[in-house]
Amino acid sequence: DQQVKQNSPSLSVQEGRISILNCDYTNSMFDYFLWYKKYPAEGPTFLISISSIKDKNEDGRFTVFLNKSAKHLSLHIVPSQPGDSAVYFCAARLYNFNKFYFGSGTKLNVKP
Amino acid sequence: DTAVSQTPKYLVTQMGNDKSIKCEQNLGHDTMYWYKQDSKKFLKIMFSYNNKELIINETVPNRFSPKSPDKAHLNLHINSLELGDSAVYFCASSQDGLAGGRTGELFFGEGSRLTVL
Repeated sequence: DQQVKQNSPSLSVQEGRISILNCDYTNSMFDYFLWYKKYPAEGPTFLISISSIKDKNEDGRFTVFLNKSAKHLSLHIVPSQPGDSAVYFCAARLYNFNKFYFGSGTKLNVKP
Repeated sequence: DTAVSQTPKYLVTQMGNDKSIKCEQNLGHDTMYWYKQDSKKFLKIMFSYNNKELIINETVPNRFSPKSPDKAHLNLHINSLELGDSAVYFCASSQDGLAGGRTGELFFGEGSRLTVL
């Protein structure tokens, strides 16, 4: 039973355009949502997060949007760069247990 | 300086063997974790230790036994390896591992790819 889902296994975007990565969750008790980026043969690295009490958090080219009523969050990358090509994992934290649940990742390919 | 380091990075072994994966973090974090990335690419929590104390123990076979000699180290020992244990195992650490902590950002190691033949 996967509580965090990333339904798009891959996404291809032209350099300079916007990349939108989506994530859905089922548990309304999640209090923090995070995005991680992973290059091949490396561990995931933290990218950006958002608290459940907010609906938007921006950090440079990266913006995360949270729609609690739809249990949906998205990561926007503008403008996309070839160096952004990686696998992006969505994660959610369960407050009472400090457990992190991860999606299966979306592989982003930014074409030059 | 590697913040979270795991050894070995690759491990190929026969069914029935016992193997260990070691993890060390030099970030001064209080909490360490083991995650398993399965064939469907999901990262699933296995164990979590806070200051050497087990705080999360997910439903994993008891052939898996974590050991934390100090808060900078969390090792994973696997007995009687099975084909289904083949996966990438990630160690991670965070500053606040207890419920209600801050963002709880995880710092991951590079992963240890275990292949059971």
